[in-house]
Amino acid sequence: SAVISQKPSRDICQRGTSLTIQCQVDSQVTMMFWYRQQPGQSLTLIATANQGSEATYESGFVIDKFPISRPNLTFSTLTVSNMSPEDSSIYLCSVLGQQGSSYEQYFGPGTRLTVT
Amino acid sequence: AQKVTQAQTEISVVEKEDVTLDCVYETRDTTYYLFWYKQPPSGELVFLIRRNSFDEQNEISGRYSWNFQKSTSSFNFTITASQVVDSAVYFCALPPCGNNRLAFGKGNQVVVIP
Repeated sequence: SAVISQKPSRDICQRGTSLTIQCQVDSQVTMMFWYRQQPGQSLTLIATANQGSEATYESGFVIDKFPISRPNLTFSTLTVSNMSPEDSSIYLCSVLGQQGSSYEQYFGPGTRLTVT
Repeated sequence: AQKVTQAQTEISVVEKEDVTLDCVYETRDTTYYLFWYKQPPSGELVFLIRRNSFDEQNEISGRYSWNFQKSTSSFNFTITASQVVDSAVYFCALPPCGNNRLAFGKGNQVVVIP
């Protein structure tokens, strides 16, 4: 299994500012994802973080608002730009890791963001 | 497109009662996987089970059991003799074939009352 850490674990930010969330994995993984979970809601995929190329964004999410970096196979960052209260959510990093002969999707502990 | 429906939003049970969570899915894929995750109040997502569409055998793990019915596109989850620590949101999820982007249901909030 993969062990995933995220920094910060939580933050309170003012509207108009930006926050960069870091995701570190203890092993090299091919696929990394960023999800958002708004209060009381399910998880929504923001993008797939691609190593060495631009992230692949889901419908409704754009690079200007959520720039993503993936400099290597163990690390990624998600920036929430020009924040508004609607961005208050838990942001989760996820990776696809090998479990025996199959693959499982593991999640980081999440970053709880509150925008005031 | 993949779709997962968890109709019950919040379920309250008294400790030691059983609780069953329904998950109905839609997919055009002939081969697929289904997942259940638990999200306790602390917020982290805990992987519970993955089943593939080839295997319709029911599975039991301790107090947890899963009933996979391909004919009705359902993958229901039962907690037997519930405990307060089972209080959490439970998500059913489905990735498209050849794609690892999980599509999550809205989740079932389970509240176990002591």
